[in-house]
Amino acid sequence: NAGVTQTPKFRVLKTGQSMTLLCAQDMNHEYMYWYRQDPGMGLRLIHYSVGEGTTAKGEVPDGYNVSRLKKQNFLLGLESAAPSQTSVYFCASTYSRALYEQYFGPGTRLTVT
Amino acid sequence: GENVEQHPSTLSVQEGDSAVIKCTYSDSASNYFPWYKQELGKRPQLIIDIRSNVGEKKDQRIAVTLNKTAKHFSLHITETQPEDSAVYFCAGQYSGAGSYQLTFGKGTKLSVIP
Repeated sequence: NAGVTQTPKFRVLKTGQSMTLLCAQDMNHEYMYWYRQDPGMGLRLIHYSVGEGTTAKGEVPDGYNVSRLKKQNFLLGLESAAPSQTSVYFCASTYSRALYEQYFGPGTRLTVT
Repeated sequence: GENVEQHPSTLSVQEGDSAVIKCTYSDSASNYFPWYKQELGKRPQLIIDIRSNVGEKKDQRIAVTLNKTAKHFSLHITETQPEDSAVYFCAGQYSGAGSYQLTFGKGTKLSVIP
């Protein structure tokens, strides 16, 4: 099992450009999450999904959109990137909401200039 | 919503000493408290967790204690080793209806000095 994978690993964008981050999991998990990690800020939830075709906002959703067309994939989109979106993005998945470990992907380091 | 505060933000200990990281939470309905370890440049990984019906849990050199009345929980690492150097995150979750997310503390950077 590959677990949770993320594509790409690194990306540099110019202000105003768009991009999509892909998260894939092969553990048949229902729940998937996108976090951003900034120095001294911990892990902050952007959006999450409780199943195929569903999405919901987390703590810091502005400037991002998500889609979960297939159970194993969760996409994070930036329509018009801003320097404030420079961060490390982690995807995570878990079997159910009921007190289970979240498995994290390796992260995507995004720089917006 | 839930708010989790974590202290200290940085911690340095001599190899072999113990390290303690403390977290407080705001939502008395929270009932699941995991701890994640993140080594430099790596992904966070679960090291131990505790549920609200348990006061303490141990796994070799690490232990977690929970005080529901005071709404705080702590991570204890004994006989620290250089490989324990990492950032540690606590988190809290309520598993009731409509709740699907963990709330993380801001992290503690632990340095174990050989």
